[in-house]
Amino acid sequence: ELKVEQNPLFLSMQEGKNYTIYCNYSTTSDRLYWYRQDPGKSLESLFVLLSNGAVKQEGRLMASLDTKARLSTLHITAAVHDLSATYFCAVDESAGGTSYGKLTFGQGTILTVHP
Amino acid sequence: GAGVSQTPSNKVTEKGKYVELRCDPISGHTALYWYRQSLGQGPEFLIYFQGTGAADDSGLPNDRFFAVRPEGSVSTLKIQRTERGDSAMYLCASSIQGQETQYFGPGTRLLVL
Repeated sequence: ELKVEQNPLFLSMQEGKNYTIYCNYSTTSDRLYWYRQDPGKSLESLFVLLSNGAVKQEGRLMASLDTKARLSTLHITAAVHDLSATYFCAVDESAGGTSYGKLTFGQGTILTVHP
Repeated sequence: GAGVSQTPSNKVTEKGKYVELRCDPISGHTALYWYRQSLGQGPEFLIYFQGTGAADDSGLPNDRFFAVRPEGSVSTLKIQRTERGDSAMYLCASSIQGQETQYFGPGTRLLVL
C-alpha cells in the first residue's frame, strides 16, 4: 500500500524567510503533484513532476522530484502572506509512464506566513 | 473555460437517509475521480471512471457507496443509509485521459446529523 508522508505538518513562517516542505512516499512512482488548498475551498494544482530530477518553479515556489529517494520538495522563497494555505503532495502509482489514475495524498502542510 | 462543477455545495441530511452528489467534469475530460476529504486530512480516493466505466472502485468504503457515469460525462455519487461518519467534503476531479493533472471541483460538504 502506497504511503505518502509530508513534513512538517504545521509551518509558521515570517515574511521574507525561506523554507522547504518535504514529501516522502513508499513505492515506485514517477508522477507527483503538488496542490494548494485555501480554507473551505477546493484544491488548486500547482505543479506536476513527471520524471526523476524534474524541477518546476512558479513565483516564490519551486518543486523538485527525486524518484530514487522517493522524495519531493516544495521550496518557498521569501515568503509572503498570500502563500498562507495548506499544501498537499499527491502521488500517482505510475510506472513506465502509465498512470494508474488514483492519487494518494499526504496529510497536508498548513503554512502560515506572518509579518 | 468552465471548470469542474459540483452540486449541491452543501448537503445536510439525517442518519439513514439516501443522498446523491453530482459532478459535472470539464468538457472533453474522459477521466473522472471522486475523493473524500475529512477535516484536517488529505483527500482519499474513492473511485475513478474512464469514460462510462469504473476503472478502479477500490476506494469505496462499503456497499452503501455507489457511483455512476452513464453517458461518460456527468457522474453521480450515491450514498445509501447515511451514517454520521460519512460527513466529509466530497471532491470530484477530472482529467483529459487519466494521464494528466486532475482538476478539482469546489466540493460538496455533506453533514449527516
